[in-house]
Amino acid sequence: DIQMTQSPSSVSASVGDRVTITCRASQGISGWLAWYQQKPGQAPKLLIYGASSLHSGVPSRFTGSGSGTDFTLTISSLQPEDFATYYCQQGDSFPLTFGGGTKVEIK
Amino acid sequence: EVQLLESGGGLVQPGGSLRLSCAASGFTFSNSAMTWVRQAPGKGLEWVSGISGGGSGTFYADSVKGRFSISRDISKNTLHLQMNSLRAEDTAVYYCAKVYSRWSSDYWGQGTLVTVSS
Repeated sequence: DIQMTQSPSSVSASVGDRVTITCRASQGISGWLAWYQQKPGQAPKLLIYGASSLHSGVPSRFTGSGSGTDFTLTISSLQPEDFATYYCQQGDSFPLTFGGGTKVEIK
Repeated sequence: EVQLLESGGGLVQPGGSLRLSCAASGFTFSNSAMTWVRQAPGKGLEWVSGISGGGSGTFYADSVKGRFSISRDISKNTLHLQMNSLRAEDTAVYYCAKVYSRWSSDYWGQGTLVTVSS
């Protein structure tokens, strides 16, 4: 199984900050990586698919990059509605696997 | 508008069974791959099972293989997850989700809570 390791597990940031979250796969997954945002009590929301493609309706301050084993989600200027937990997920092979999550908290 | 509505969750004793359903609307269900993802209380997301578009392929996490079975009823636009031999560690909110691109999921239901306890 492919293990997905996210870092950091949590980050404290202020509105307007640039935030970067990384996700490392235990083996190459080409570009088959998705990023999700989840707020308490809500279902996850797709942000990025194919490592770098912005899902419809997602603000352009969210950017995904990477290939192979190392991937990054960047929020260019953190907004109040961005405080949430973020997950990566590989779609290269079964079983599909998620990273452990990164909680973005208010500083 | 795409809608996914899960049902069938509840309290069940260890070793028991439950069948989750996910009623889908607003898209061509018969052609869409679908997945189940769960989230234990206070924990992260865990992929559980998937079914390919057309239903020809089914896939499972190691933790549920042999106990859970995914299926779809095209006539009713409904996805199912039959869960047998339930364990305490299966306690979670179960989400159904529509697959978008290479097993990423663009639409999710609101989730249904399964509690396995005596």
